[in-house]
Formats: sequence, C-alpha cells, structure tokens
Amino acid sequence: KQEVTQIPAALSVPEGENLVLNCSFTDSAIYNLQWFRQDPGKGLTSLLLIQSSQREQTSGRLNASLDKSSGRSTLYIAASQPGDSATYLCAVSNNDMRFGAGTRLTVKP
Amino acid sequence: EAQVTQNPRYLITVTGKKLTVTCSQNMNHEYMSWYRQDPGLGLRQIYYSMNVEVTDKGDVPEGYKVSRKEKRNFPLILESPSPNQTSLYFCASSHIGTGGTGELFFGEGSRLTVL
Repeated sequence: KQEVTQIPAALSVPEGENLVLNCSFTDSAIYNLQWFRQDPGKGLTSLLLIQSSQREQTSGRLNASLDKSSGRSTLYIAASQPGDSATYLCAVSNNDMRFGAGTRLTVKP
Repeated sequence: EAQVTQNPRYLITVTGKKLTVTCSQNMNHEYMSWYRQDPGLGLRQIYYSMNVEVTDKGDVPEGYKVSRKEKRNFPLILESPSPNQTSLYFCASSHIGTGGTGELFFGEGSRLTVL
C-alpha cells in the first residue's frame, strides 16, 4: 500500500527566505506526482504536476523535482512571501490518489 | 469558468437520515473522485471513477455509495449517516491521458456534521 510522507509537518520562516518542502512515497509505480496548496477552510489548488517521466517542473517562484527511483519529491519556494502561508500537500497518482498529511507553512513579514 | 461544484457546502443532519452530496464538473473530465479530510488523518480517498459507469473503491468506502451515470456528475450518497462520517468532503476531477490522471481540480468542499 502506497504511503506518502511529508516533512516537516510545520515550518515558519521570515519573509524572503528560500525554502524546501519534502515529500516521500513508498511505491515508485506512479503515474505522476502533484503539489497542492490549501488555504484554511478552502479546497485544494494544484500548483505543479510532474509526470513520472519528468524530473522537474517550474512555475514562477516554485520548482518541484521528482526522483521516482528513490521515492522523493521536493517543492522549492524562492523568495517566500506572507501570501505563501498555507498548507502544502503532495499526492501521488496511480489512478487512486494518495496524499501526504501536508506541511503547514507560515511566512512572517 | 472551469470549475468543480459541490452542494451543499454545509450540512447538519441526524444519524440515519439519508443524504446526497452532489458534485458536478464542466471540464469534460473522465476522472472524478471523492475525499474526506479529517484532522490528523489528512485526505483519504473514498471512491473514484475513471469514466461513466466505472467506479472503484478508495481507502475508506465503507458507509458511502457513488454513481456515475453522466460524465459531469458524481454524487456521493450516505445511505445511513453516522457521527463518524462527520468530516470535510472534497470532490475532484481531471482528464485521463497517456500518463494517467492529470492535474486534479477540487471543489470548495462540503462540511458535513452528523448528530
């Protein structure tokens, strides 16, 4: 059974810092991996999707990498801003979707 | 506007009273799924559907039913709700391509309380 783990569970940084969120999964037989953002009481918004054949994806200040063989993905956020404060979740897909528990990020002004 | 719409957004009901949470998407997505989100347990998949008339159980299907009679709709049915089904529910959809499911679009969530 696929298990997805995110470290750290919570992170607090001052504005302007670059930061890395980690996601690991136990079964490398995945179609893709997605990173989502969730604001309190809201639905999830897809940030980046990496297909199993890809190594990374970039969108603005966000960069996600995927190492399928080692079962790891990282989400890099450059020059963090208070508006980046949210919970970030990763999910792996093999038709069924498995989510990590998320990393709660707080960016202090 | 591309969206996934869930209704109701908030519901308080009593044990045993059947209820349906509707989910509709306007993106012609093949894949639709339901999740529940609980503190400390994260998001768990209840059911998913790869296309019309095709549904599969996720991690926590007990106590729930779904149907996929039309491509755009994927209702979640609680035949006899119990207090342990009090949760925040999300519907999501995506296209299916050669690489499997694509970018997942979520609804705003339905907060259900069963007394």
